[in-house]
Amino acid sequence: GNSVTQMEGPVTLSEEAFLTINCTYTATGYPSLFWYVQYPGEGLQLLLKATKADDKGSNKGFEATYRKETTSFHLEKGSVQVSDSAVYFCALTLPYGGATNKLIFGTGTLLAVQP
Amino acid sequence: NAGVTQTPKFQVLKTGQSMTLQCAQDMNHEYMSWYRQDPGMGLRLIHYSVGAGITDQGEVPNGYNVSRSTTEDFPLRLLSAAPSQTSVYFCASSYGAGLTDTQYFGPGTRLTVL
Repeated sequence: GNSVTQMEGPVTLSEEAFLTINCTYTATGYPSLFWYVQYPGEGLQLLLKATKADDKGSNKGFEATYRKETTSFHLEKGSVQVSDSAVYFCALTLPYGGATNKLIFGTGTLLAVQP
Repeated sequence: NAGVTQTPKFQVLKTGQSMTLQCAQDMNHEYMSWYRQDPGMGLRLIHYSVGAGITDQGEVPNGYNVSRSTTEDFPLRLLSAAPSQTSVYFCASSYGAGLTDTQYFGPGTRLTVL
C-alpha cells in the first residue's frame, strides 16, 4: 500500500549543526510530497512541498528534493537553531481516489536542538 | 483571520459517553478534514468533506460521525466513546481538494477516554 517511512527520533543536535531527516515513500503513481512541522503545543504547519520528480522545495533554510529514483524526500538544513526544535512529518498525496489532497503521513521525527 | 479553530482543547470522557469536537474555519475553504494523531503512528485521516453537504470516510472512520451543513463548520461526533479513541484530534482545511492545495491545521483537541 501507499506509505511514508521516516527515520526514528529523537534527533538531538547542537545549534549550528547540519540536519538531515530521512524520508522514503511507497506509492502507486506520482505523489506530491510535503514536510510539515509541529511546534510544541501547536498544530501542523506546512514547511515545504514538491510536486514532481527533481523538484526542490525550500523554506526557512530547509530544503528537500523529490528523488523518484530512490523514492526519497530527505529534509536538510545547513545550520539549525534552537527555535527549530519541533516534530517534523513527511507526507504525501496521491493523484487519484476522489479528493486528491488526502495526506498520508509518516510517524514524525522529533528534533531537539541544544544551545 | 482566526484560521482553523478547535474546541475544546482538552476533554476527558468515560467509556460510552458521547461528545462533539468542534472545528471552524474562516478562510472560506471548501475542503475540511479530521485526523487523529497517535504515538508512533503519525496522523491518520478519519473523515473529510469537499464542500457543504458532502462528506466521505478516510482511513479510520469507525466510531466517528461527521456532517457539513455550512462551509465554515465541520464537527466530529463520538457517539459512544471507547478507550481506543484516546488521541489528539486535528482538524484541517484547504481552499480546494487538489493534489497540492496547502492544508491548514487547527491547534488540536486532546481527548482521553477512561
